[in-house]
Amino acid sequence: GAVVSQHPSWVICKSGTSVKIECRSLDFQATTMFWYRQFPKQSLMLMATSNEGSKATYEQGVEKDKFLINHASLTLSTLTVTSAHPEDSSFYICSARDLRGGKSTDTQYFGPGTRLTVL
Amino acid sequence: AQTVTQSQPEMSVQEAETVTLSCTYDTSESNYYLFWYKQPPSRQMILVIRQEAYKQQNATENRFSVNFQKAAKSFSLKISDSQLGDTAMYFCAFTESNTGKLIFGQGTTLQVKP
Repeated sequence: GAVVSQHPSWVICKSGTSVKIECRSLDFQATTMFWYRQFPKQSLMLMATSNEGSKATYEQGVEKDKFLINHASLTLSTLTVTSAHPEDSSFYICSARDLRGGKSTDTQYFGPGTRLTVL
Repeated sequence: AQTVTQSQPEMSVQEAETVTLSCTYDTSESNYYLFWYKQPPSRQMILVIRQEAYKQQNATENRFSVNFQKAAKSFSLKISDSQLGDTAMYFCAFTESNTGKLIFGQGTTLQVKP
């Protein structure tokens, strides 16, 4: 199997502060991880692609200075929400791309998500 | 543009019965991968089944099977012997082969009734 962890599972912070969310692939190395945002009863919205050793690629409309992504190792990517505001409150999910078997096994496995509430 | 469409926002099924969730997609790629993920109330995304486009044989995982019609760009999920634990939101998704990005459908909420 492939296990992806995410920490914290929930966080409450004050407006104007920064929050860091960690995403780890526990039993495989992932050169590529993805960050999503999900509103209740809606589909996942891709925010950015996190590439180990290089800059993240952000989707159109996502502020890269607000959502800082660092992929410092083959098992860890972090998302930092800077100067958080109430409108940033959401459910954030990461995934890790499993390519251990090459393209034939190309699959994303997901972390359990982080619920962020900004007061 | 590559898109995935799930036309059934909500469905329900009686426990032990069979239900089919629909999914269509649009792409110009010739080789790609299709997925069904489930998201139960815990909100953990769980891989249900995976299909490689170049394989004609439909993928099967225990009670879950797909009907993959490449020419029609259709990828439906059949759940047999539905169980209460199958209650979840189900997402159909397609992978962009070069970037690995997943393109998700809107989701279908499935309620299994006792």
